[in-house]
Amino acid sequence: QVQLQQSGPGLVKPSQTLSLTCAISGDSVSSNSAAWSWIRQSPSRGLEWLGRTHYSSKWYNDYAVSVKSRVTINSDTSKNQFSLQLNSVTPEDTAVYYCARGAYDSGWGIDYWGQGILVTVSS
Amino acid sequence: DIVMTQTPLSSPVTLGQPASISCRSSQSLVHSDGNTYLSWLQQRPGQPPRLLIYKISNRFSGVPDRFSGSGAGTDFTLKISGVEAEDVGVYYCMQTTQFPYTFGQGTKLEIK
Repeated sequence: QVQLQQSGPGLVKPSQTLSLTCAISGDSVSSNSAAWSWIRQSPSRGLEWLGRTHYSSKWYNDYAVSVKSRVTINSDTSKNQFSLQLNSVTPEDTAVYYCARGAYDSGWGIDYWGQGILVTVSS
Repeated sequence: DIVMTQTPLSSPVTLGQPASISCRSSQSLVHSDGNTYLSWLQQRPGQPPRLLIYKISNRFSGVPDRFSGSGAGTDFTLKISGVEAEDVGVYYCMQTTQFPYTFGQGTKLEIK
């Protein structure tokens, strides 16, 4: 059974960097049949996919255009986890942030989700 | 970006009666590999979304067979053959054919 455990601060100041980590159990971050995404949800934006990392002979990262200049997703194979960094945050970045898995066997559908972390951007 | 539009936005249903949700994409979801990467998710209050259906019509592990998906190209439908109390929540369609992945705005299923 795949489990995703998220960690990180729930409060970030404007202009600072939001950093979250997702620890994976039951799968590998370097599996070539899985991809690891960050998705956020807010009342104003609904569900918004931010980006993903995927290993297939080499690492591939894909990002949403809306955050591309500010976002980085990294993987750590030694800890079997991946992370999200979002720079220069504003109150509009306030949302519940989810890490999630897309899998080849599920037609790249997002089949496992972390528990979610509410991140508030406020001074 | 591919825009996903769901109708209706709210669906009051009597227990035991069928329910149907439509999802339309702004362009075809057929991938160059021939697959159509359209999925449906359910979100119960206070929980993360849960995958119900992938590639239009494939039920994910553990999903009851009262849930079914159909469609092609740009028009897709999720059907619940007989709504149960535990089906209350918000339903989303999602495309993973093209980056960026995008979601519909959600349909709230509630019991009359």
